[in-house]
Amino acid sequence: EVQLLESGGGLVQPGGSLRLSCAASGFIFSSYAMSWVRQAPGKGLEWVSGIRGSGDSTYYADSVKGRFTISRDNSKNTLYLQMHSLRAEDTAIYYCAKDRASSSCYDYWGQGTLVTVSS
Amino acid sequence: QSVLTQPPSASGTPGQRVTISCSGSSSNIGSEPVNWYQQLPGTAPKLLIYSNNLRPSGVPDRFSGSKSGTSASLAISGLQSEDEADYYCSTWDGSLSAVVFGGGTKLTVL
Repeated sequence: EVQLLESGGGLVQPGGSLRLSCAASGFIFSSYAMSWVRQAPGKGLEWVSGIRGSGDSTYYADSVKGRFTISRDNSKNTLYLQMHSLRAEDTAIYYCAKDRASSSCYDYWGQGTLVTVSS
Repeated sequence: QSVLTQPPSASGTPGQRVTISCSGSSSNIGSEPVNWYQQLPGTAPKLLIYSNNLRPSGVPDRFSGSKSGTSASLAISGLQSEDEADYYCSTWDGSLSAVVFGGGTKLTVL
């Protein structure tokens, strides 16, 4: 059974940093691209970043480029999102999602972790 | 504003057929497959339709997808109360080099 478990969310001040983790199980982690997708309170879904299975290619939304870094440790079956220079508008539930077949189509999602940026 | 345009709301009565539209451009829907997600209140999104019109295992055949040109549609037939949720279309945008989502459509079952 595929499972994705996010952690690392919390309250952080504007300008601060946070690292999210997503522990994956139930599939060959290194074979699949992964992404982070966020949802601000009461708003729609917004893709944040993606990474190929090998980790050799990464992609970012313009809204986070230069501030966020996606990475993965295939030996630990874990996906990461390092977030710097956080802003109030980064407040959201952050979901990690498994790409079905490198097609930007997400067949499994975690339960999400809440990041709140506030003073 | 979202790159993909969806109506903010839709509604229907039990047993009816409803459709939700998703409009894009040549750099996204016009050249890439469209996926649809269902998000029940307080839960993570769930893949409903992929590659325009394919259903993952376990998704009822009441749900169907289609695409024509730079627009796509999700149809739900035999509407049920448990279909009340938010629905999102999504695809890759080659110009942005990013995954894009529609703004979401809140479906109400009257």
